[in-house]
Amino acid sequence: DTGVSQDPRHKITKRGQNVTFRCDPISEHNRLYWYRQTLGQGPEFLTYFQNEAQLEKSRLLSDRFSAERPKGSFSTLEIQRTEQGDSAMYLCASSLVPRTGPNYGYTFGSGTRLTVV
Amino acid sequence: RKEVEQDPGPFNVPEGATVAFNCTYSNSASQSFFWYRQDCRKEPKLLMSVYSSGNEDGRFTAQLNRASQYISLLIRDSKLSDSATYLCVVKPAGGSYIPTFGRGTSLIVHP
Repeated sequence: DTGVSQDPRHKITKRGQNVTFRCDPISEHNRLYWYRQTLGQGPEFLTYFQNEAQLEKSRLLSDRFSAERPKGSFSTLEIQRTEQGDSAMYLCASSLVPRTGPNYGYTFGSGTRLTVV
Repeated sequence: RKEVEQDPGPFNVPEGATVAFNCTYSNSASQSFFWYRQDCRKEPKLLMSVYSSGNEDGRFTAQLNRASQYISLLIRDSKLSDSATYLCVVKPAGGSYIPTFGRGTSLIVHP
Protein backbone atom coordinates (compact mmCIF):
# COMPACT_ATOMS: atom_id res chain seq x y z
CA ASP A 1 0.00 0.00 0.00
CA THR A 2 1.61 3.21 -1.15
CA GLY A 3 -0.65 5.76 0.50
CA VAL A 4 -3.87 7.53 -0.37
CA SER A 5 -4.75 7.38 -4.08
CA GLN A 6 -7.09 9.71 -5.89
CA ASP A 7 -8.43 9.41 -9.39
CA PRO A 8 -8.47 11.24 -11.71
CA ARG A 9 -5.63 13.70 -11.08
CA HIS A 10 -7.23 16.30 -13.32
CA LYS A 11 -10.76 16.77 -14.62
CA ILE A 12 -12.02 19.42 -16.99
CA THR A 13 -15.77 19.51 -17.42
CA LYS A 14 -18.40 21.75 -18.89
CA ARG A 15 -20.74 23.61 -16.60
CA GLY A 16 -23.82 21.55 -15.85
CA GLN A 17 -22.13 18.17 -16.22
CA ASN A 18 -21.80 15.64 -13.41
CA VAL A 19 -18.41 14.48 -12.21
CA THR A 20 -17.30 11.71 -9.86
CA PHE A 21 -13.99 11.39 -8.06
CA ARG A 22 -12.58 8.35 -6.33
CA CYS A 23 -10.38 8.02 -3.27
CA ASP A 24 -8.63 4.87 -2.07
CA PRO A 25 -7.38 5.40 1.49
CA ILE A 26 -4.57 3.62 3.26
CA SER A 27 -6.03 0.17 3.75
CA GLU A 28 -5.94 0.00 7.53
CA HIS A 29 -7.31 3.53 7.99
CA ASN A 30 -10.88 3.68 9.22
CA ARG A 31 -11.50 7.40 8.73
CA LEU A 32 -11.73 9.12 5.39
CA TYR A 33 -12.10 12.87 4.83
CA TRP A 34 -12.90 14.99 1.80
CA TYR A 35 -11.58 18.55 1.61
CA ARG A 36 -11.72 21.25 -1.03
CA GLN A 37 -8.90 23.72 -1.57
CA THR A 38 -8.85 26.84 -3.72
CA LEU A 39 -5.83 28.94 -4.57
CA GLY A 40 -4.37 30.79 -1.62
CA GLN A 41 -6.61 29.08 0.91
CA GLY A 42 -6.20 26.15 3.23
CA PRO A 43 -8.19 22.96 2.74
CA GLU A 44 -11.87 23.33 3.71
CA PHE A 45 -13.64 20.37 5.28
CA LEU A 46 -16.48 18.83 3.25
CA THR A 47 -17.35 15.50 4.87
CA TYR A 48 -15.91 12.48 6.62
CA PHE A 49 -16.59 8.80 7.10
CA GLN A 50 -15.80 6.38 9.86
CA ASN A 51 -15.76 3.04 8.10
CA GLU A 52 -18.87 3.17 5.88
CA ALA A 53 -20.81 5.69 7.99
CA GLN A 54 -20.86 9.32 6.91
CA LEU A 55 -20.64 11.07 10.26
CA GLU A 56 -20.52 14.74 9.41
CA LYS A 57 -21.08 17.05 6.45
CA SER A 58 -20.07 20.68 6.14
CA ARG A 59 -22.54 23.36 5.15
CA LEU A 60 -20.23 23.80 2.14
CA LEU A 61 -21.58 20.49 0.87
CA SER A 62 -24.66 21.60 -1.03
CA ASP A 63 -27.29 19.15 -2.23
CA ARG A 64 -25.38 18.90 -5.52
CA PHE A 65 -22.60 17.09 -3.68
CA SER A 66 -22.84 13.52 -2.48
CA ALA A 67 -20.24 11.22 -1.04
CA GLU A 68 -20.28 7.50 -0.40
CA ARG A 69 -18.05 4.89 1.14
CA PRO A 70 -20.14 1.79 0.57
CA LYS A 71 -17.86 -0.90 1.97
CA GLY A 72 -15.78 1.19 4.28
CA SER A 73 -12.85 1.14 1.87
CA PHE A 74 -12.77 3.47 -1.16
CA SER A 75 -14.96 6.55 -1.36
CA THR A 76 -16.53 8.52 -4.18
CA LEU A 77 -17.45 12.20 -4.29
CA GLU A 78 -20.00 13.19 -6.93
CA ILE A 79 -20.83 16.73 -7.96
CA GLN A 80 -23.99 17.14 -9.99
CA ARG A 81 -24.72 20.05 -12.31
CA THR A 82 -21.25 21.50 -11.86
CA GLU A 83 -20.80 25.26 -11.58
CA GLN A 84 -17.71 27.36 -12.23
CA GLY A 85 -17.43 27.96 -8.49
CA ASP A 86 -16.83 24.24 -8.01
CA SER A 87 -13.41 24.60 -9.65
CA ALA A 88 -10.91 23.61 -6.97
CA MET A 89 -8.58 20.90 -5.79
CA TYR A 90 -10.51 18.11 -4.08
CA LEU A 91 -8.36 16.38 -1.49
CA CYS A 92 -8.99 13.11 0.24
CA ALA A 93 -7.28 12.19 3.49
CA SER A 94 -7.40 9.14 5.70
CA SER A 95 -6.44 8.39 9.26
CA LEU A 96 -6.56 5.64 11.82
CA VAL A 97 -8.56 6.41 14.90
CA PRO A 98 -8.14 3.94 17.71
CA ARG A 99 -11.09 3.35 19.98
CA THR A 100 -9.26 5.31 22.65
CA GLY A 101 -6.39 7.77 22.45
CA PRO A 102 -5.54 10.68 20.21
CA ASN A 103 -5.42 10.81 16.45
CA TYR A 104 -2.01 11.74 15.13
CA GLY A 105 -2.12 13.28 11.72
CA TYR A 106 -3.78 12.62 8.42
CA THR A 107 -2.38 11.35 5.14
CA PHE A 108 -3.54 13.15 2.05
CA GLY A 109 -3.87 11.95 -1.49
CA SER A 110 -2.49 13.99 -4.38
CA GLY A 111 -5.91 15.46 -5.04
CA THR A 112 -8.18 15.82 -8.04
CA ARG A 113 -7.99 19.22 -9.71
CA LEU A 114 -11.39 20.12 -11.13
CA THR A 115 -11.83 22.85 -13.71
CA VAL A 116 -15.36 23.75 -14.73
CA VAL A 117 -15.52 25.69 -17.99
CA ARG B 1 -13.09 35.62 13.80
CA LYS B 2 -11.82 32.64 11.83
CA GLU B 3 -11.25 29.40 13.72
CA VAL B 4 -7.62 29.23 12.65
CA GLU B 5 -5.71 32.29 11.48
CA GLN B 6 -2.33 32.55 9.85
CA ASP B 7 -0.41 35.40 8.25
CA PRO B 8 -0.32 34.39 4.58
CA GLY B 9 3.08 36.07 4.04
CA PRO B 10 5.09 35.55 1.98
CA PHE B 11 8.04 35.44 4.32
CA ASN B 12 11.09 36.04 2.16
CA VAL B 13 14.33 35.05 3.93
CA PRO B 14 17.92 34.29 2.93
CA GLU B 15 19.43 30.86 3.29
CA GLY B 16 20.64 30.24 6.82
CA ALA B 17 18.13 32.58 8.42
CA THR B 18 15.85 31.70 11.30
CA VAL B 19 12.16 32.29 10.66
CA ALA B 20 9.10 31.83 12.84
CA PHE B 21 5.41 31.61 12.06
CA ASN B 22 2.49 31.89 14.43
CA CYS B 23 -1.00 30.52 14.14
CA THR B 24 -3.89 31.56 16.38
CA TYR B 25 -6.99 29.50 17.08
CA SER B 26 -10.34 30.58 18.49
CA ASN B 27 -11.64 27.40 20.17
CA SER B 28 -10.10 27.19 23.61
CA ALA B 29 -11.17 23.55 23.83
CA SER B 30 -8.94 22.57 20.91
CA GLN B 31 -7.08 19.41 21.64
CA SER B 32 -4.52 18.57 18.97
CA PHE B 33 -2.30 20.72 16.82
CA PHE B 34 -0.19 20.04 13.76
CA TRP B 35 1.97 21.77 11.20
CA TYR B 36 1.68 20.59 7.62
CA ARG B 37 3.85 21.53 4.68
CA GLN B 38 2.39 22.01 1.21
CA ASP B 39 4.51 22.45 -1.90
CA CYS B 40 3.07 24.24 -4.90
CA ARG B 41 0.24 22.22 -6.50
CA LYS B 42 0.93 19.25 -4.22
CA GLU B 43 -0.97 17.76 -1.32
CA PRO B 44 -0.31 18.78 2.30
CA LYS B 45 2.12 16.55 4.18
CA LEU B 46 2.48 16.26 7.92
CA LEU B 47 5.54 18.14 9.15
CA MET B 48 5.10 17.67 12.87
CA SER B 49 2.58 17.38 15.66
CA VAL B 50 2.67 20.06 18.34
CA TYR B 51 2.84 18.85 21.91
CA SER B 52 1.97 20.84 25.00
CA SER B 53 5.56 20.79 26.19
CA GLY B 54 6.89 21.87 22.80
CA ASN B 55 8.84 19.62 20.50
CA GLU B 56 11.77 19.73 18.18
CA ASP B 57 12.62 17.82 15.02
CA GLY B 58 16.01 18.76 13.64
CA ARG B 59 15.87 22.38 12.52
CA PHE B 60 12.15 22.65 13.28
CA THR B 61 10.68 23.58 16.66
CA ALA B 62 6.96 23.71 17.41
CA GLN B 63 5.43 25.28 20.49
CA LEU B 64 1.96 25.61 21.93
CA ASN B 65 0.72 28.50 24.06
CA ARG B 66 -2.70 27.53 25.38
CA ALA B 67 -3.16 30.69 27.44
CA SER B 68 -2.82 32.90 24.37
CA GLN B 69 -4.25 30.27 22.00
CA TYR B 70 -1.49 30.10 19.45
CA ILE B 71 1.03 27.67 18.11
CA SER B 72 4.33 28.52 16.53
CA LEU B 73 6.82 26.98 14.14
CA LEU B 74 10.47 27.97 14.19
CA ILE B 75 12.80 27.01 11.37
CA ARG B 76 16.51 27.41 11.98
CA ASP B 77 19.22 27.53 9.30
CA SER B 78 16.70 27.82 6.47
CA LYS B 79 17.36 25.84 3.30
CA LEU B 80 16.17 26.58 -0.22
CA SER B 81 14.16 23.37 0.02
CA ASP B 82 12.18 24.78 2.94
CA SER B 83 10.34 27.05 0.49
CA ALA B 84 6.71 25.98 0.75
CA THR B 85 3.41 26.88 2.39
CA TYR B 86 3.10 25.90 6.04
CA LEU B 87 -0.41 25.04 7.18
CA CYS B 88 -1.51 25.16 10.78
CA VAL B 89 -4.06 22.49 11.72
CA VAL B 90 -6.22 22.46 14.84
CA LYS B 91 -8.41 19.62 15.98
CA PRO B 92 -11.13 20.17 18.57
CA ALA B 93 -11.74 18.08 21.62
CA GLY B 94 -14.65 15.69 21.50
CA GLY B 95 -15.72 13.01 19.12
CA SER B 96 -15.87 14.72 15.74
CA TYR B 97 -12.10 14.75 15.17
CA ILE B 98 -12.49 17.15 12.26
CA PRO B 99 -9.30 19.11 11.74
CA THR B 100 -9.51 22.76 10.71
CA PHE B 101 -6.79 24.17 8.50
CA GLY B 102 -5.44 27.68 8.40
CA ARG B 103 -4.90 29.30 5.02
CA GLY B 104 -1.18 28.73 5.29
CA THR B 105 1.93 30.88 5.48
CA SER B 106 4.12 31.07 2.42
CA LEU B 107 7.89 30.84 2.95
CA ILE B 108 10.40 31.71 0.25
CA VAL B 109 14.05 30.99 1.01
CA HIS B 110 16.43 32.68 -1.43
CA PRO B 111 20.16 32.22 -2.02
